[in-house]
Amino acid sequence: DQQVKQNSPSLSVQEGRISILNCDYTNSMFDYFLWYKKYPAEGPTFLISISSIKDKNEDGRFTVFLNKSAKHLSLHIVPSQPGDSAVYFCAASETGGADGLTFGKGTHLIIQP
Amino acid sequence: NAGVTQTPKFQVLKTGQSMTLQCAQDMNHEYMSWYRQDPGMGLRLIHYSVGAGITDQGEVPNGYNVSRSTTEDFPLRLLSAAPSQTSVYFCASSYSRHNTEAFFGQGTRLTVV
Repeated sequence: DQQVKQNSPSLSVQEGRISILNCDYTNSMFDYFLWYKKYPAEGPTFLISISSIKDKNEDGRFTVFLNKSAKHLSLHIVPSQPGDSAVYFCAASETGGADGLTFGKGTHLIIQP
Repeated sequence: NAGVTQTPKFQVLKTGQSMTLQCAQDMNHEYMSWYRQDPGMGLRLIHYSVGAGITDQGEVPNGYNVSRSTTEDFPLRLLSAAPSQTSVYFCASSYSRHNTEAFFGQGTRLTVV
């Protein structure tokens, strides 16, 4: 049973607009959430994270929102740029530790000019 | 600064052959791990190590062995390759098990025929 779900395999957004990527989880023990970005033929790179004690974390154009009651988090990218085209993975951890990471299947974000 | 280096980048094996996927990091990280990524799937943890001489199983360990004789190296061994092990393999490292900002290698694409 998937504990971390990214229900949109792909998302197309116009350059300059907001991209919103969604992630749902089922395990109420998860207390740390991360987003990774992956380009073709490269390894994933860490983008942004959020602890369960917060509901928002911002880093430049990237903001992650966490709704614990709904077991839902989202990544907002504003404004979207061509270089943002990539696969985005949502990951969650029970322990705040790297060994507890459970990944979603990923969302392929395509930024259109 | 090399980061996490994986070799080889591509490999084709025949069923029953053995091989070792190499992973090295130069960041003096305690924690290292191996993931596999299959089409339409997120990354799944195979094995991990919290330090030299210590390894443990992840979500999908069957068919794989690991060892950690030095802080820098964490090889993954396939003793008798099977077509089900066709996948892209990623090695990752982080400063400790409690730091979830994992750094990933570029991946090894393995095909077992």
